[in-house]
Amino acid sequence: AQSVTQLGSHVSVSEGALVLLRCNYSSSVPPYLFWYVQYPNQGLQLLLKYTTGATLVKGINGFEAEFKKSETSFHLTKPSAHMSDAAEYFCAVSAPYSSASKIIFGSGTRLSIRP
Amino acid sequence: DAEITQSPRHKITETGRQVTLACHQTWNHNNMFWYRQDLGHGLRLIHYSYGVQDTNKGEVSDGYSVSRSNTEDLPLTLESAASSQTSVYFCASSASTIALEQYFGPGTRLTVT
Repeated sequence: AQSVTQLGSHVSVSEGALVLLRCNYSSSVPPYLFWYVQYPNQGLQLLLKYTTGATLVKGINGFEAEFKKSETSFHLTKPSAHMSDAAEYFCAVSAPYSSASKIIFGSGTRLSIRP
Repeated sequence: DAEITQSPRHKITETGRQVTLACHQTWNHNNMFWYRQDLGHGLRLIHYSYGVQDTNKGEVSDGYSVSRSNTEDLPLTLESAASSQTSVYFCASSASTIALEQYFGPGTRLTVT
């Protein structure tokens, strides 16, 4: 069975600072991993995903994440935060070739940006 | 552009009433899902469907039902609304038969008084 843990329900950074949102997963097989972003009053939008291949994955809006098997982590980073990055971020995990309903979402991390 | 729409966006109802939340997608996706989002719990799966006439229970299905009569729509019905069902509800869809990315609607905020 898969599970995902997001460390920190709320992260606050200054504009221009590094953004680091932490995600650790548990999976009995090499996982698929996702980051979604939810802007206020909107649905979730896929930011990036890892399935196979290159472990450093680049997404939209300058975000990237690195799959580290040894650390069971898939942390999300962005070198320089913008005010528009303020949102809720969800990490999610699934097992390859599992049925379409088997995506497990983390509890979310709210990112605030200080001017 | 293809999209998922949900209606209403906001709903206030009384305990015991039946409520139906609509979800309509124009992606032509076979798979559709309903989630609820609560603080500290992230998204929890309520019901899902892999195609017309197919429905399945998710993690938190008690008190909810769905029906799938066409590809585009998956309405969610609360048979007798309870205060514990106050939440934000998201509909999603996906094309793949395996667990790859899903596409989400904008959500419905439901308050049960």
